[in-house]
Amino acid sequence: SSVLTQPPSVSVAPGQTAMITCGGNNIGSKGVHWYQQRPGQAPILVIYDDDDRPSGIPERFSGSHTGNTATLTISNVAAGDEADYHCQVWDITSDHPDFGGGTKLTVL
Amino acid sequence: QVQLQESGPGLMKPSETLSLTCNVSGYSISSGYYWGWVRQSPGKGLEWIGSIYHSGRTYYNAALKSRVTISMDTSKNQFFLSLTSMTAADTAVYYCVTVGGWSNWFDPWGQGTLVTVS
Repeated sequence: SSVLTQPPSVSVAPGQTAMITCGGNNIGSKGVHWYQQRPGQAPILVIYDDDDRPSGIPERFSGSHTGNTATLTISNVAAGDEADYHCQVWDITSDHPDFGGGTKLTVL
Repeated sequence: QVQLQESGPGLMKPSETLSLTCNVSGYSISSGYYWGWVRQSPGKGLEWIGSIYHSGRTYYNAALKSRVTISMDTSKNQFFLSLTSMTAADTAVYYCVTVGGWSNWFDPWGQGTLVTVS
């Protein structure tokens, strides 16, 4: 089982806002990263260090982190955003990453 | 721009040893970063296998540590995964990744290679 907890699925209508959460007992002081994985494709980084966007990622994607919960927010959702979203942190103590179980975003 | 490309066998038999190569372009692997392997079983989440630092130091998933070796060849700008005693449970898409930043995010990823054990 994953150290980080994500809802298995989130559904949203086109044009609305999707929010995907990632929770864990010890993520308060860690940077949280988010990956988008479209069907049949490799994951791509969409948010790093809680709320930074790599170049090329639309401003519709944003992140936040309060206490032991991080949130990926996708505004003005489009059909192309339908994908699995994974969160990840790095455990400094053991020097390895932890992943969430992934959330399937469905655009209705 | 860093690009990664995996190569290896698509089909294996139980008990065989998996050998995968990740070819890196656009950056010299001896210059910095961690380089790692992540896998994803069909319909499942992401599982970290291990990483190698540019110095050659390695870090492995404790659950796989007894079967995993990650190495690199800086002259060819490649790094490698070896996983022994393969079983059906190791059937997965295997990705090579660049691990960077102060809090170690994965970017970019290779396209992935499906390895089936049957």
